[in-house]
Amino acid sequence: GAVVSQHPSRVICKSGTSVKIECRSLDFQATTMFWYRQFPKQSLMLMATSNEGSKATYEQGVEKDKFLINHASLTLSTLTVTSAHPEDSSFYICSALEGWQGREKLFFGSGTQLSVL
Amino acid sequence: KNQVEQSPQSLIILEGKNCTLQCNYTVSPFSNLRWYKQDTGRGPVSLTIMTFSENTKSNGRYTATLDADTKQSSLHITASQLSDSASYICVVSASYNTDKLIFGTGTRLQVFP
Repeated sequence: GAVVSQHPSRVICKSGTSVKIECRSLDFQATTMFWYRQFPKQSLMLMATSNEGSKATYEQGVEKDKFLINHASLTLSTLTVTSAHPEDSSFYICSALEGWQGREKLFFGSGTQLSVL
Repeated sequence: KNQVEQSPQSLIILEGKNCTLQCNYTVSPFSNLRWYKQDTGRGPVSLTIMTFSENTKSNGRYTATLDADTKQSSLHITASQLSDSASYICVVSASYNTDKLIFGTGTRLQVFP
């Protein structure tokens, strides 16, 4: 079945550094990928929708200069947390759509736990 | 406003028992509804996906129902196992040029021996 690979699974960084998270669709082409943030015991919060070859669409309240998204190919999207601060510590998850409208399957990566010291 | 509400927020049951999770939505135009299971610290895993013409879908011990008229869905878990302990998320797609996904807040299920 379709698989979405996300890495790293865990990253610890110092405050002020930038962190890049990769999301790859391994055996299908994903024209649309999504990035989410999740706090403990809460549901996923959509951050942005990423379409291949175009600028990402950010949800209200999400700083696009803080969370840089690049979707350069049909199988790869990246999220870069720039100048990370402790409040950016969270669980970040990506997902990718496969299939045609109305029957798309949505596959999630395994998530990245970011800890900013 | 497009919304997806799940209930209960949390649920504790004993191993072997059945349970039903609810999802009510106000999403238009409706495209499809998905149920996901998310273990702590992991990404969600798909259980079922239903379009408006489907009113039930099974995946092993998981059975999802959909009533497009009342805009309600349920996820029934039969003969629960300890490994069913997880968060269950209902996701509804609104059919625009590109589907917009609206996430429910999830139901946290704990199965005790």
